[in-house]
Amino acid sequence: AQTVTQSQPEMSVQEAETVTLSCTYDTSESDYYLFWYKQPPSRQMILVIRQEAYKQQNATENRFSVNFQKAAKSFSLKISDSQLGDAAMYFCAYRRREYGNKLVFGAGTILRVKS
Amino acid sequence: ETGVTQTPRHLVMGMTNKKSLKCEQHLGHNAMYWYKQSAKKPLELMFVYSLEERVENNSVPSRFSPECPNSSHLFLHLHTLQPEDSALYLCASSPGPGADTQYFGPGTRLTVL
Repeated sequence: AQTVTQSQPEMSVQEAETVTLSCTYDTSESDYYLFWYKQPPSRQMILVIRQEAYKQQNATENRFSVNFQKAAKSFSLKISDSQLGDAAMYFCAYRRREYGNKLVFGAGTILRVKS
Repeated sequence: ETGVTQTPRHLVMGMTNKKSLKCEQHLGHNAMYWYKQSAKKPLELMFVYSLEERVENNSVPSRFSPECPNSSHLFLHLHTLQPEDSALYLCASSPGPGADTQYFGPGTRLTVL
């Protein structure tokens, strides 16, 4: 069974600084998707960034980028120029590519942004 | 605005009550999902529907009964719940069951007394 581990329950970052959230996963599949979702106090899950496992290039979306290390099964999220609106719970998630109905989520990391 | 709405946003019910959660998606998607988010636990997938047909049921107790009358609407009927069922229930949709990205609604905060 696939598992996703986020080892940092909580992180803090100063506004305008950079922070990296860690995620590791376990799977025997070679083709899959990885995601970072953000859940602000409104509780709605918002997709931040996605990575396809067969692509070696790390995904980027504006201030958000990932460091995808397939051999190490590591998928960290880097937030540059942190803003107060980035404060939220961040979830790492995995989905198998074929017949992949199921998103498997990590336990989440609370990110606090200090002004 | 993700185009997925859920009602009610908050619900308090007794253990003997019957209530329903509603989800509606305005994205033209064909797959819909129910997730449960409890405190200090990862999100758990409960049900998946594709074109109104249930394709996955992750060993959810029968006191939770899903219904998908069409591809835009998904219900979760609740009866004789337990206090440990108190959680945030999130609905999501995707273009198809194999689509890579799911779009989530704002959730219903359920409290069972």
